[in-house]
Order: sequence, then structure tokens, then C-alpha cells
Amino acid sequence: QKEVEQDPGPLSVPEGAIVSLNCTYSNSAFQYFMWYRQYSRKGPELLMYTYSSGNKEDGRFTAQVDKSSKYISLFIRDSQPSDSATYLCAMSKLGGGGNKLTFGTGTQLKVEL
Amino acid sequence: GAGVSQSPRYKVAKRGQDVALRCDPISGHVSLFWYQQALGQGPEFLTYFQNEAQLDKSGLPSDRFFAERPEGSVSTLKIQRTQQEDSAVYLCASSPEGAKFYEQYFGPGTRLTVT
Repeated sequence: QKEVEQDPGPLSVPEGAIVSLNCTYSNSAFQYFMWYRQYSRKGPELLMYTYSSGNKEDGRFTAQVDKSSKYISLFIRDSQPSDSATYLCAMSKLGGGGNKLTFGTGTQLKVEL
Repeated sequence: GAGVSQSPRYKVAKRGQDVALRCDPISGHVSLFWYQQALGQGPEFLTYFQNEAQLDKSGLPSDRFFAERPEGSVSTLKIQRTQQEDSAVYLCASSPEGAKFYEQYFGPGTRLTVT
């Protein structure tokens, strides 16, 4: 069983919908959480990062972490066709920069006109 | 400024051939990571350098995989005697000194296809 589980989708929603993306993890050593967006044939780009349980909002994006349930979420409001991409959750056990990231499988999202 | 660059972007190798994949990190970044991303999967950690020192190679799948960063800047990932299961996108990421956990900047990757 993988340390980080993520539904691969694909997920298809109409423009303007609220999108909910989720990951679960099994290792309580993960303390730091990130969401990356990856367009086709591109490298992942950081969207959001959080430390500890709670919510963090940035524009149309909200990240939630529930450490007690080992569950993290990313919400996208007013989704746009340009949001169509693969969304990867990632986790780290330590807070420094020299720490490997453990990724989920990625969820493929398509926002349709 | 310039981001992380990788070359070649695409590589086709026949089974058994050796390949070398190059990563040019962001100038001045001390940390460098290699990840392997199989089709439909998330990236998986391969190895980590701090300057020229390879501090973690726990993710390298076999002794056919070798990485180096001799001068603490450009890095090369070498795969010997390639196998079909090596087909994947190889991603490089770099981080500045004193970076936080979220500060890994990824390159576009090299897509390796072994036939």
C-alpha cells in the first residue's frame, strides 16, 4: 500500500463549478503538505503549501489539512478551462528544503466550457 | 530568471543501451533532486544532492542508476543497460540555501522511452 493515496480520476466538471480534490496518507510522520499542478508535458508547479491542520486560502484555491484523519483537500472555486491539469498532492516529513517529497498519484481534472 | 532546464527533452533508447540525462538547476541553488514519474503516476524520489555531495540515494531502483553532480551545479543521471521498465519522465528539481519544504522548483523533465 502506498503512503499517499489519491484518486486518479479523470474528473470532469463544467466551468464555474467547485472542485474538490483529496488525498489520504498513512504515515503520521508527514507534517508538511503541498499541492502541485502539472500541465501535460510540463514539470509540476507549486500551488499551495500548508503546515499543521487547518485551512489556507489563496484566491480561488483553498487547502485543508486534517491530521487527525490523515486527510488533505484542495478546493478550487469558480473553476476555469485553464485549470484543466493534473493535480498532485505532496508531503514532507521535515520542514527544510533538503527533504524529499512523497507524491500522490495525481488527479486529472478537466474543466469544460 | 531562468528556471530548471533539462536535456534532452525526449530520449528513445533501445533496451540495453546506456543513457545520460542532464539537469541544469537554477543558478546558485544548493539542493538538487531527481524524481522518476511513470505514466499515470506521481513523481517518485530517486536521489538528492547538497552541492556536490549525494546525501540520499535511497530511491535509486537498482545499481544501473547512477547520479553525479561533480561541481555542485549541473547534474547527470545515468542509466546503464536500460530496461523497458525504465521508461518514464525523469524530473529534476532544485532548491536555494535555507529553503523551506515547499521550495522545490521543477524542470520540464526528460521523457525516456525504452524500446
